[in-house]
Amino acid sequence: AQSVTQLGSHVSVSEGALVLLRCNYSSSVPPYLFWYVQYPNQGLQLLLKYTTGATLVKGINGFEAEFKKSETSFHLTKPSAHMSDAAEYFCAVSDRGGAQKLVFGQGTRLTINP
Amino acid sequence: NAGVTQTPKFQVLKTGQSMTLQCAQDMNHEYMSWYRQDPGMGLRLIHYSVGAGITDQGEVPNGYNVSRSTTEDFPLRLLSAAPSQTSVYFCASSPPPGQGSRGYTFGSGTRLTVV
Repeated sequence: AQSVTQLGSHVSVSEGALVLLRCNYSSSVPPYLFWYVQYPNQGLQLLLKYTTGATLVKGINGFEAEFKKSETSFHLTKPSAHMSDAAEYFCAVSDRGGAQKLVFGQGTRLTINP
Repeated sequence: NAGVTQTPKFQVLKTGQSMTLQCAQDMNHEYMSWYRQDPGMGLRLIHYSVGAGITDQGEVPNGYNVSRSTTEDFPLRLLSAAPSQTSVYFCASSPPPGQGSRGYTFGSGTRLTVV
């Protein structure tokens, strides 16, 4: 069965600093990988996804993530944090076929300090 | 293009009451799912559907029923509400794998409180 672990339920960085949110997955075969962002009292918005091809994936709002098969990781980064990045971030995986059911990590709340 | 629409946005139920959470999408997506979100647990899959007339259970299906009579609609029914069902519920839809694996599009959620 697939599983996702997000290291750190709460990450705090200063405005302008590097953002690094960690995600490791467990799957018998390389899955599809996703990062979603949730702003307060809103639904989830897709930040970026990895399905195939280039392992460095660029998403919206300046975020990117790198798929590392050997480390079973898909960490999310942004070079310079902005106050508007404050939100909860979810890493998720799904099978490549079938119903593509999403399995989520527990989420990481990102706080930006002025 | 409205995307995924969920109604109601907020609901308070008494223990034992029943209700239906509505979900509709206008993107002609074949795949639809229901998730519940609880603090510190991420989102967990309740039920899902890969097309009209086809549904299956997810990770936490107990206490919930679904049906899929049309491509557009995927209602979630609580037959006898319990306090443990207090949560935020999200509906999501996606095209099938052959159409690009664009990931799921989520609705804005229904916040349910059972007292």
